[in-house]
Amino acid sequence: GDSVTQMEGPVTLSEEAFLTINCTYTATGYPSLFWYVQYPGEGLQLLLKATKADDKGSNKGFEATYRKETTSFHLEKGSVQVSDSAVYFCALSSANQAGTALIFGKGTTLSVSS
Amino acid sequence: GAVVSQHPSWVICKSGTSVKIECRSLDFQATTMFWYRQFPKQSLMLMATSNEGSKATYEQGVEKDKFLINHASLTLSTLTVTSAHPEDSSFYICSVGGGSTGSGNTIYFGEGSWLTVV
Repeated sequence: GDSVTQMEGPVTLSEEAFLTINCTYTATGYPSLFWYVQYPGEGLQLLLKATKADDKGSNKGFEATYRKETTSFHLEKGSVQVSDSAVYFCALSSANQAGTALIFGKGTTLSVSS
Repeated sequence: GAVVSQHPSWVICKSGTSVKIECRSLDFQATTMFWYRQFPKQSLMLMATSNEGSKATYEQGVEKDKFLINHASLTLSTLTVTSAHPEDSSFYICSVGGGSTGSGNTIYFGEGSWLTVV
């Protein structure tokens, strides 16, 4: 079945460092891909998404490009801040007429220190 | 404003009792809602698909008699954890939207519900 694999954390960086969190997927068809962020004690927030190959999702300085050839959707940010410390989840969709369920990766904890 | 409202946000219950969590779609009618569970420091796992007017579809390994789902209207789905035990302590979250629903292909999550069974 469909699945998402993302790099295990925790990832510990200093402020202004470059961030990459790897995500690869296995899916039949052409799913949409997502990155969600979960801050401590809070629910999920959509960070960015891409719905087709070569699409680039971007938000708040984060970017990810849908690579069909490598089945990847790696998350990057050029300069992280302490406020970016959170758990990041890569996910893919399984869409039907009535709604979309998501398959999540295991999550990667990012800790940014000043 | 919020598109999906989930209630309660936090609940503590005694072992053996039942707890009901509500998920409301505020902006559009949802024939389908999804329930997820997240154990501490783990990923979110799809538990079940809630179908308006019919039985829920449960993922493999999820006990349907323990996690009762009712989707009696187009805007409300409820998850009842029956005879709760400490191992049921978890973060439960619902989602609506996507596909060809009225959300315009956008998926909305509720705020989530933290359940602690003591």
